[in-house]
Formats: sequence, C-alpha cells, structure tokens
Amino acid sequence: GQNIDQPTEMTATEGAIVQINCTYQTSGFNGLFWYQQHAGEAPTFLSYNVLDGLEEKGRFSSFLSRSKGYSYLLLKELQMKDSASYLCAVKNSNYQLIWGAGTKLIIKP
Amino acid sequence: GAVVSQHPSRVICKSGTSVKIECRSLDFQATTMFWYRQFPKKSLMLMATSNEGSKATYEQGVEKDKFLINHASLTLSTLTVTSAHPEDSSFYICRVTGGLNTEAFFGQGTRLTVV
Repeated sequence: GQNIDQPTEMTATEGAIVQINCTYQTSGFNGLFWYQQHAGEAPTFLSYNVLDGLEEKGRFSSFLSRSKGYSYLLLKELQMKDSASYLCAVKNSNYQLIWGAGTKLIIKP
Repeated sequence: GAVVSQHPSRVICKSGTSVKIECRSLDFQATTMFWYRQFPKKSLMLMATSNEGSKATYEQGVEKDKFLINHASLTLSTLTVTSAHPEDSSFYICRVTGGLNTEAFFGQGTRLTVV
C-alpha cells in the first residue's frame, strides 16, 4: 500500500525553530508538497520538492531525500500565526496525490 | 497567480435536501478538478476526480449517486450533495490543476452543516 507518515502533533516556542518530518512509501515519485492549513480553512501551498536537497523560502525550508523516502519542513523564527496543521503530500507515478494526516503545530509564547 | 473560487463558503441545510457547491478556476483552464472532504482534525479524503467533459472517477466507498459531480466546462465543476444527512456535515474542498506537473490550487472550502 501507499502511506505517508508524519507526527500527529508538535509543540514549539515562539521565536524557536521546529522541524516537521514526513516519511513516505508510494508507488513511484513525482514530487512532494507541503501545505499549511489553518483551522476551518483550505490548505495553502508552501513548497514543492522533486530533487534531493534543501529548498529555502524565507522562514520556511523543505528538504527531500528520495533514497530515504524522507522529507522535512523547517520553520524558523516561529510566530504565533504559524500555529496550524502542516500537510505532507506525495505525487506518485500515476500523478495521484497521496496525503499525510497532517501535523498540528502548537506555538506557545 | 491562478485563483480558484469555491462557493458557498458556509451552508446549513435541512436533512433530505440537496446542496450544490461550485468550484471555478478564474484565470486558467482546469484540466482536472479534485473534490475532497475533511472531518475535524483529520486529513483530506479524496472523494472523486473529474476531467472536463467526462464522467467523474469516484474513490472507493464514495456513493456516486449521492455526491453528484459535474465538470461541464474547463472552468467550472460542481459537487451536489443529494438527500443530505447530518453525517454528511463536513468541510468540502476542491483542488484544481491545469496539467500533470503544474501546481494545484485549492478552493476556499465549504463548511456544510446538515440539521
């Protein structure tokens, strides 16, 4: 079967750094996405990785290792507004998007 | 960038009635539209995939006669929840893509409450 694993919930402090991990097992690979979703809202696109390595975009960075089936989303200088769920999704060889259950990130002052 | 508009954002309906949700791509041709539902604190569950001009492909366990999907044009897809029941109360979201490797965009979502 195909599955995406990510922690259910994480807690971090305002101003700190947090890393949200995602491991995947899919039939083929055509890219990995990270989305942010605030409660009651639709997901918003954060990043897309298709090659190994680190992609940096402001306070957010995303890393991919295809050989390990592993990615992480790194959030720096955490702000209260970063409290949200973070969804990892992988596009397989059939271009289907397989979704993780999401990681709820709680930011404390 | 591309924009996807989904309406309504919230709807409350009585049991037994039908509700139509619209998803429009505003400035690009949407080859494929995906419909998801999401229960509180759960991830997105794909319900069906629709391509313009053809019948939607439903995921296992999703009743095609209950969740009617129409993708009549390259910019509009509709999801109709027929004979709604309280257990259909959920957050419904459309996602639109213009091709295999293009970025996909989500609609704003529709919060459906059936009373």
